[in-house]
Amino acid sequence: AQSVAQPEDQVNVAEGNPLTVKCTYSVSGNPYLFWYVQYPNRGLQFLLKYITGDNLVKGSYGFEAEFNKSQTSFHLKKPSALVSDSALYFCAVRDISGSARQLTFGSGTQLTVLP
Amino acid sequence: DTGVSQNPRHKITKRGQNVTFRCDPISEHNRLYWYRQTLGQGPEFLTYFQNEAQLEKSRLLSDRFSAERPKGSFSTLEIQRTEQGDSAMYLCASSSTGTNQPQHFGDGTRLSIL
Repeated sequence: AQSVAQPEDQVNVAEGNPLTVKCTYSVSGNPYLFWYVQYPNRGLQFLLKYITGDNLVKGSYGFEAEFNKSQTSFHLKKPSALVSDSALYFCAVRDISGSARQLTFGSGTQLTVLP
Repeated sequence: DTGVSQNPRHKITKRGQNVTFRCDPISEHNRLYWYRQTLGQGPEFLTYFQNEAQLEKSRLLSDRFSAERPKGSFSTLEIQRTEQGDSAMYLCASSSTGTNQPQHFGDGTRLSIL
């Protein structure tokens, strides 16, 4: 079975400060990991993915994420937050060794960037 | 690239009625997924198509739910005899063939059961 935990329901950060949204995962084999962002009454937008290779992955809108196998984590980061980054963020995982193509999502973290 | 399109955006119906939602994926994508999202939760997988073949179904997909993708293009999700617990956002996503291409989501259909 595969699962994702996002331990923080809410993260507040001041504009211009660095932000981190945490994610830990559990899979039987090796993971494929994804971050998505959701704005009110909209679908999810893809930000970035980790498949293999470099542990630091760069994505859209200046976001990046760091894969840490020993800690089974995939935290989302941005060096300088913008008010427009305020949204709901989801981490998702798929097991490489599984035949299933479904993604398993965390429960989401609401990011609020304060001006 | 017009993105994934879902219709209707909102559906309000009485308990016990049948409802059908439509999803038009990105045109070159042969993989199509349905998810359900309730308030305060992440999306939960319902089913997956590759072309017209339904290859995966979640245990969440009870016998009141049926999904089709008859020509490998658009897909429909039907819920029969709706119940209060069916109230949710129903999301459709599509992806291209290839190893771990990201899924691209539509804006969803919000279902409210009265």
